[in-house]
Parts: sequence; structure tokens; C-alpha cells
Amino acid sequence: GAGVSQTPSNKVTEKGKYVELRCDPISGHTALYWYRQSLGQGPEFLIYFQGTGAADDSGLPNDRFFAVRPEGSVSTLKIQRTERGDSAVYLCASSLNRLAGEDTDTQYFGPGTRLTVL
Amino acid sequence: AQRVTQPEKLLSVFKGAPVELKCNYSYSGSPELFWYVQYSRQRLQLLLRHISRESIKGFTADLNKGETSFHLKKPFAQEEDSAMYYCALRNFGNEKLTFGTGTRLTIIP
Repeated sequence: GAGVSQTPSNKVTEKGKYVELRCDPISGHTALYWYRQSLGQGPEFLIYFQGTGAADDSGLPNDRFFAVRPEGSVSTLKIQRTERGDSAVYLCASSLNRLAGEDTDTQYFGPGTRLTVL
Repeated sequence: AQRVTQPEKLLSVFKGAPVELKCNYSYSGSPELFWYVQYSRQRLQLLLRHISRESIKGFTADLNKGETSFHLKKPFAQEEDSAMYYCALRNFGNEKLTFGTGTRLTIIP
């Protein structure tokens, strides 16, 4: 079946602009994650959704970053007043999350959105 | 705070030689450890996880709690093993993954 998809694949913007990055998880996956990968680094956790709610947003770097998942499927990561330091690959992942207390499932990653802030 | 360290950014190995990619972690609890791989022009994908104790594509990794290590090993490297490898940790009961900085493995024909 279709994997996690992300759009756009590349986004170039100017400093100070607003951007939205979209993630379509695997159908039926209740858990959705956003990570950011800067050059030469591993992915860094940003936020995790269980259904429609953000279960853990401890990785969001500041209040310019916000994410939503209004219907428990597609998610949008929103960045206000972009800065050059926001340039990175933004990765989305989803998993078939089981009940609390049981093993959770594998995180499947999308291809990422490469954001460049000029 | 939890941390994953991969000391080698680059590793080159001849085809047929053994491979070991190092991973050390710091975490005061019962972590779950993973190896993820990213082949050229492909997305990040799970290679193996310590709780499953499987061998995937000839790779194995043993969790050593005494040394806080989860090194990835393969006895005989193949050219198709060339890729970027990331070690990752997850808290028990939590969902987020903490990744190392990755090791780029190149297999020399």
C-alpha cells in the first residue's frame, strides 16, 4: 500500500515568511510524528500526535512552530516568521499505535520536505 | 537526558570483510534501541530493533546494558550495504525516537 507522503518535496522561502508542510500518514495509523533533520545530524523529534491531539510537543523549538491534525489523519506543520536556521529536512512518520501499556509499532517515515530559508 | 552517540561519521569496509557500526547510549531506565537505515535516494526505514532479536539482511545487534551499547554487526559486508545508518532510542512508555548523528557506511568492491 501507499506509504507516508509529504508535500511539497522542496520549499524555498524568504526569511520572515510563513510556510506550511503537509503529511499524509499511512491509512489507519493513529500515531503521527514530526522530526527535523539538519545537515549532518540525525532526525530530531518535534511533536507527536495520537489521533487529533498533540500527545507530546516537547520538541518544538519555539512558538513559531505549530502543528495540527484536525481529523486524525493529515497533519500540517506550520512555521511562522521563518529564519535561516529553520532550513532543514522535515520528516513525518506514522505508526499503528496500540493501546497504552503494549508495545507500540514501527515508525514509517515519509520522504521529507526540504525547507530552505533564504 | 537521553542521548545516542555514534562515534564514526564515516566507515569504509571492503566487500566480504566484517562490519561493526558503533552505538552508545545514555539513559537511566529501560530503553528500546533501534537501527534505522537510509539507502541512496530512499526514505529512512527500520532495519532492526533489539526486542525482536532478529537478523535482518545479515545484520545483528545486541543490547549490552553494562556497556550501554547497541553495536550493529555483519560478518561479511556486501556492496548493497552501503548506506547511512542511524541508531535510535525510545523510552519505554514514550513514543519519540532519539537519534544519533549517523554513520555513512561505504562498501569498497
